[in-house]
Amino acid sequence: AQTVTQSQPEMSVQEAETVTLSCTYDTSESNYYLFWYKQPPSRQMILVIRQEAYKQQNATENRFSVNFQKAAKSFSLKISDSQLGDTAMYFCAFFIIQGAQKLVFGQGTRLTINP
Amino acid sequence: NAGVMQNPRHLVRRRGQEARLRCSPMKGHSHVYWYRQLPEEGLKFMVYLQKENIIDESGMPKERFSAEFPKEGPSILRIQQVVRGDSAAYFCASSPASGGPNTQYFGPGTRLTVL
Repeated sequence: AQTVTQSQPEMSVQEAETVTLSCTYDTSESNYYLFWYKQPPSRQMILVIRQEAYKQQNATENRFSVNFQKAAKSFSLKISDSQLGDTAMYFCAFFIIQGAQKLVFGQGTRLTINP
Repeated sequence: NAGVMQNPRHLVRRRGQEARLRCSPMKGHSHVYWYRQLPEEGLKFMVYLQKENIIDESGMPKERFSAEFPKEGPSILRIQQVVRGDSAAYFCASSPASGGPNTQYFGPGTRLTVL
């Protein structure tokens, strides 16, 4: 069974600091995609960043970057220069390309950015 | 370019009533996924549909829940004889095709409250 584990239920940092959210996953598949989604208080699910498992280079989107360690099955999200608008729940998820067409989500990390 | 639309945004039902949740995918998207989010949890896959076909319903409860995606019109998630445990946020996502790097884009969700 595929599982995603986010070991940090809550995190809190000061504005402008850098914060790293952890995610580990378990799958026997070799071909998959990994995602981080953000869910602000509005509850809308917003795609933050995506990583293809076959790519060794870590994905980057502006202030957001990932540290993808395939052998360790680890996929952490780093937010640099954090802003108040980054306050949200963050969900790690993966998608098996050849398998069932579904996202498997972790339990989420509640991130609070303090002024 | 409208995103994924869901309605209603909030739905209140009494135990035993029926709930109908609607999802209109993004323009050009022919694949629809439904996920359920219980309070303080991550999203859990329910069902994956293409036009007029249920592709994977492995996450759907065996009773009272059904889903459809007709040739014309929105996808419908139907819950018959609702119970308090059905109270959750229900998210719809769409993608343009199966497999590959296609990312699922989420709607704003429908929050169902069962009294």
